[in-house]
Amino acid sequence: AQKITQTQPGMFVQEKEAVTLDCTYDTSDPSYGLFWYKQPSSGEMIFLIYQGSYDQQNATEGRYSLNFQKARKSANLVISASQLGDSAMYFCVMRAGNQFYFGTGTSLTVIP
Amino acid sequence: GAGVSQSPSNKVTEKGKDVELRCDPISGHTALYWYRQSLGQGLEFLIYFQGNSAPDKSGLPSDRFSAERTGGSVSTLTIQRTQQEDSAVYLCASSSSPGLAGIKQFFGPGTRLTVL
Repeated sequence: AQKITQTQPGMFVQEKEAVTLDCTYDTSDPSYGLFWYKQPSSGEMIFLIYQGSYDQQNATEGRYSLNFQKARKSANLVISASQLGDSAMYFCVMRAGNQFYFGTGTSLTVIP
Repeated sequence: GAGVSQSPSNKVTEKGKDVELRCDPISGHTALYWYRQSLGQGLEFLIYFQGNSAPDKSGLPSDRFSAERTGGSVSTLTIQRTQQEDSAVYLCASSSSPGLAGIKQFFGPGTRLTVL
C-alpha cells in the first residue's frame, strides 16, 4: 500500500531557530519521489524541495533540506533559521506509480 | 510571466447540476495536474496530462468526473450530477518536466466549489 504519514498536526518554532517536520512513507515501488510543499494561509501551494529514491545525496534548497533515510522510509524536512513568513501548512508528498500521495500536513507557527 | 490560472475562482452550484472547471497552465508547460483539497479527504491527486493525453484516470473519484486537455494547453475538469461531497477546492498545477517526472509543479490559486 502507498502511504504518507505526517504525525505532527502542529509545530511551533522560535524565529531564527531550526525546525524538523517529520514524514514517513510506505511504498513497494523501487522508484519514487518525495516532495515537500508549503501552503500559506493564502492557499497557494509552493514547491519547496524534491528527493528521488535513487538520489545518493540529501536534497537542499536554500534554508530547506530533506533528511532522507531510505531504510527507515523517512523524509523529514529541516528548515533552518526560521522566519515569520515560514508560518504555513507543510505537506509531504510521494510520487509512486502513476499517482501522488499526500500527507495530512503539519501546521508550522513561527514565534517572534 | 503569467502563472497558472484557474476559473472560476468560486463556484456555487445546486446538487445534481454539472460544473466545468478550467485551468490555464504556464505557457510551454507540457504536464498538467489536477488535485482536490477538502476538509474531509485532505489533498487528493486526481489526474495528470502529458500533452493532451491522460495515461491514468484511476485517481478520479467516480465516473461523474472527467477531464480533458486540448492543444496541449487549457484543461477542463467536468463534474456531472454534482453531489455535496464534491465540495472542495480544486487545484491545478503545471510543470515543464514530462508527466510524473514533474518535480517542480506550479500551482494555480484553485477553484472553490460549493455544492448546495
